[in-house]
Formats: sequence, structure tokens, C-alpha cells
Amino acid sequence: EAQVTQNPRYLITVTGKKLTVTCSQNMNHEYMSWYRQDPGLGLRQIYYSMNVEVTDKGDVPEGYKVSRKEKRNFPLILESPSPNQTSLYFCASSLLATSGGIYEQYFGPGTRLTVT
Amino acid sequence: GNSVTQMEGPVTLSEEAFLTINCTYTATGYPSLFWYVQYPGEGLQLLLKATKADDKGSNKGFEATYRKETTSFHLEKGSVQVSDSAVYFCALSRMDSSYKLIFGSGTRLLVRP
Repeated sequence: EAQVTQNPRYLITVTGKKLTVTCSQNMNHEYMSWYRQDPGLGLRQIYYSMNVEVTDKGDVPEGYKVSRKEKRNFPLILESPSPNQTSLYFCASSLLATSGGIYEQYFGPGTRLTVT
Repeated sequence: GNSVTQMEGPVTLSEEAFLTINCTYTATGYPSLFWYVQYPGEGLQLLLKATKADDKGSNKGFEATYRKETTSFHLEKGSVQVSDSAVYFCALSRMDSSYKLIFGSGTRLLVRP
């Protein structure tokens, strides 16, 4: 089954304790992205990657890191989490269009993170 | 810049009522347009899409037509069910080097039995 998986689904942590949220897709998609969803603010892109070793900032990258060492995986790293990073996080993947741009994105189930 | 504007919710309907959720966009060039649905506790799922003017996307009884003259992509369904209760997001993707999906703020639909 074609899917995007994320782990963990729920995480409660304390300020400053490094954490990683994993994301994996089995569709051989070049493009992967992380979003956060907050009430009243909709979905905001954190980082994206167009292929292995190619990453770029989205709209709200501060406080986050990513890496893309393999095509299928795109982990999100919070090196020193703070309470304002409490949010619902989604990973997504997509094919790249040959003319530029991306096709529809496929989303993971989400990770609800609480930082106290 | 590029943006998507959706009608504010929540939209509350009775079962079997007609649904319209308005979506308008601002974009240069010829974007692709999408509707995503988010059921409670789940991630976003692609509901339908349209890639060029006058295209009609349809799925599960939902329809939306890409109207370039009015820069709109309104979501419609003739008869809603309780199971359609969810948050609906309109989105656009410019098919150029922007490599970004731009979302509207989402519209919550609540269908009562």
C-alpha cells in the first residue's frame, strides 16, 4: 500500500530535550516536506526536500533541522524544543513535475507534539 | 503573491443538504488546484484536483470546477452525509519552480443527522 508513515504519533517532552520525528514514504517520491498545523494558522511549511541531500527552508524553519540521506526518509529534528513548538506535524511527499513544480502531495497521519 | 482564500466555517448542514464551500485563489501562471479533506484525528487526504482551466475534479460525490475567469475552485456536493463531517482545505500548486503547495485556512463542515 502506498503510504507516508510518521513516528511517533504522539509525543510529550520537556523543553530542551532533543527529539526526532521520523517520516518515510514508499512511493519513490523525490519531493518531501514537513508542515505544522496550528489552530487559526492553517498549515505552514517548515522545510522541504527535492531529492537526496537537497533541502530548503519553508515558511517557518526556525528551531528545526532536517536531513535527507535516503530518498524514502525525511526526519524532522528539534534540537532544543520549546513550548511554542507544540503543534500537529505532518510529513508529505510528492512527485516532481518535469516542467517544474510539484504534483499533489500525499500526507502522513500526523504527529502531535507537546513541549512542556 | 500566491494565496488561497476559503470561506470561514464552521458550516453546519443537515444530512442530504447541498454543500458549497467557496475557494478563490491568486496566482501567476496556471496553477494546479486541489481540495484536501482532514477527518478528525487523521492526516490530509487528497479529495480531488484539476490541472487546467475548465477541468472538473470529482470524487466521492464531491465536485469542483477550475474557473480561471473568476479564479475560483468551489467545492460542491449534492447531498451530504454525516460521514462528510471534516475540515476541507483548498490548495494550489504553481507548476513552475516554486515547489510549494499553498493552502487555504480550511473550512470545518459539520453535518447533523
